[in-house]
Amino acid sequence: NAGVTQTPKFRVLKTGQSMTLLCAQDMNHEYMYWYRQDPGMGLRLIHYSVGEGTTAKGEVPDGYNVSRLKKQNFLLGLESAAPSQTSVYFCASSPFTTYEQYFGPGTRLTVT
Amino acid sequence: AQSVAQPEDQVNVAEGNPLTVKCTYSVSGNPYLFWYVQYPNRGLQFLLKYITGDNLVKGSYGFEAEFNKSQTSFHLKKPSALVSDSALYFCAVRGDAGGGNKLTFGTGTQLKVEL
Repeated sequence: NAGVTQTPKFRVLKTGQSMTLLCAQDMNHEYMYWYRQDPGMGLRLIHYSVGEGTTAKGEVPDGYNVSRLKKQNFLLGLESAAPSQTSVYFCASSPFTTYEQYFGPGTRLTVT
Repeated sequence: AQSVAQPEDQVNVAEGNPLTVKCTYSVSGNPYLFWYVQYPNRGLQFLLKYITGDNLVKGSYGFEAEFNKSQTSFHLKKPSALVSDSALYFCAVRGDAGGGNKLTFGTGTQLKVEL
């Protein structure tokens, strides 16, 4: 049982490049989330999903897109990376009934 | 809109002394409250939660938290701190009116436990 995994762990992009971050969970959780963590700002919700095929915007969705084609996977895309998207990105999942979220190890992204 | 405040950026405690990390919240309806811990270069780990029931909630690693509805607070406590407790602690709240179990996190409190 690996829990929540994220790929890749580190990435450096140039401004304007695109990339996709992959999140996978093996706990059969209904809900999944993408956050970004910046110093002094805590975690901010980017997008989330309440089930396969559904996505919704969070607090800071601009510049990001997501897809959840399979229940166990949640993808975060950056179409045209900007330096302001330099951050640590965390994926999380949550069961429908017990409310707490389980986090992946994070992806450190630098945009130059 | 719901919000969480962690008024202290850093808390310093001597090993063996009790520790408190403060959290206050604002939410419509009944609050669901959580504490998470983050060690360097790691994801967040769930410590404990308050949904309903006893105001004193016990969690992992000897931590506990006290829910105080009148003061809208949910302070994290431990009777005897360990050096290994040094980490970044986040308080989070979920309002019962929201969908998707969305959480709003505080900005975090760095706990430093010294010998």
